[in-house]
Amino acid sequence: RKEVEQDPGPFNVPEGATVAFNCTYSNSASQSFFWYRQDCRKEPKLLMSVYSSGNEDGRFTAQLNRASQYISLLIRDSKLSDSATYLCVVRAGSGAGSYQLTFGKGTKLSVIP
Amino acid sequence: DAGITQSPRYKITETGRQVTLMCHQTWSHSYMFWYRQDLGHGLRLIYYSAAADITDKGEVPDGYVVSRSKTENFPLTLESATRSQTSVYFCASSEWGGGPSETQYFGPGTRLLVL
Repeated sequence: RKEVEQDPGPFNVPEGATVAFNCTYSNSASQSFFWYRQDCRKEPKLLMSVYSSGNEDGRFTAQLNRASQYISLLIRDSKLSDSATYLCVVRAGSGAGSYQLTFGKGTKLSVIP
Repeated sequence: DAGITQSPRYKITETGRQVTLMCHQTWSHSYMFWYRQDLGHGLRLIYYSAAADITDKGEVPDGYVVSRSKTENFPLTLESATRSQTSVYFCASSEWGGGPSETQYFGPGTRLLVL
């Protein structure tokens, strides 16, 4: 089983739509969770961290379900500029190398005019 | 300019040649990382460093060597390049400590083609 799994997409949605991405992780000792965004031929950039209680940043909402080892990202009112690949990222628990991040392969989003 | 830079941005080399990819950050971050990104695999960690003179292997270290004599630099060397090392290489840095300082900041990447 892959450590971090995502639906690769692509998700093609019209402007203004709401879209949700899901991610599952296999290591139950994982401590920290993130969504990164990567534009075509660019470097990944942090979109938001994911907290246990769920968190929101403008049009973006992230949720974490530790029991199901599941992370989600909801984008409301999609903009053309949201077109990118969204990477689910997990950090392992304590111990040596615990600051290493494990990346999912990414979900590609295309927002269509 | 402040930030994290990589050089060269593009490199074509031949099988068997030694290649060094450079990474430089101006934030004085303690931690630095090298990843490769390939279609179908996502980002995979090659090597990381917790401080100057402290390095350790990641998921895919074979065929690569790193050094970190100065906090701001973290070069990655392919000792004898192979075609399977054709990839996009990203360097990243972070200031560990939990919370927002966990964020890894990535350089613009180096696109390497091994013929």
